[in-house]
Amino acid sequence: AAGVIQSPRHLIKEKRETATLKCYPIPRHDTVYWYQQGPGQDPQFLISFYEKMQSDKGSIPDRFSAQQFSDYHSELNMSSLELGDSALYFCASSFRGLSTEAFFGQGTRLTVV
Amino acid sequence: SQQGEEDPQALSIQEGENATMNCSYKTSINNLQWYRQNSGRGLVHLILIRSNEREKHSGRLRVTLDTSKKSSSLLITASRAADTASYFCATDDTGTASKLTFGTGTRLQVTL
Repeated sequence: AAGVIQSPRHLIKEKRETATLKCYPIPRHDTVYWYQQGPGQDPQFLISFYEKMQSDKGSIPDRFSAQQFSDYHSELNMSSLELGDSALYFCASSFRGLSTEAFFGQGTRLTVV
Repeated sequence: SQQGEEDPQALSIQEGENATMNCSYKTSINNLQWYRQNSGRGLVHLILIRSNEREKHSGRLRVTLDTSKKSSSLLITASRAADTASYFCATDDTGTASKLTFGTGTRLQVTL
């Protein structure tokens, strides 16, 4: 069965650079969530989209922005990167919000040097 | 913000034993989901239990939900070394239903 696809899997950026993370949800899923997970920590919610509209926002820095496109894929744009942005970034998708299971991708490991 | 606390934070058992992990949460929820994560890897969905359900099974997994106590438990029976991972519960509260809030996770170590 198709899963959530994230790209790239690994990314190394320098401070103050910009990064774009991509997420391709499971086919027919209309809801996408983004999470950040630091080493040894639980996943922290960043932002979610339902039917291409932002549905909720968490502890997402103003330097980050995201959107969901007409084909339901989503991109997380991160600017002015800081060392503290180094983390695993996960995308999850579900059908019709959280009335059904949310499935996660393998994540993008971002390292800021 | 953190919704749930998981108990214990770490658990070490021998292969063949049962492992029980508990999760407590703070708000009214629509459903609760359990995930497994191997170190540095993705979150694998295990099971979803709805607020009107009390117990659910999937293979060697048994999940219970007590909404009056705002708690859930995950039981893994006949554990295997491959079950070694961190286990998280995640809830969506009735106020938003548009995000999952994760607990702190239980690190399970299954030894041969």
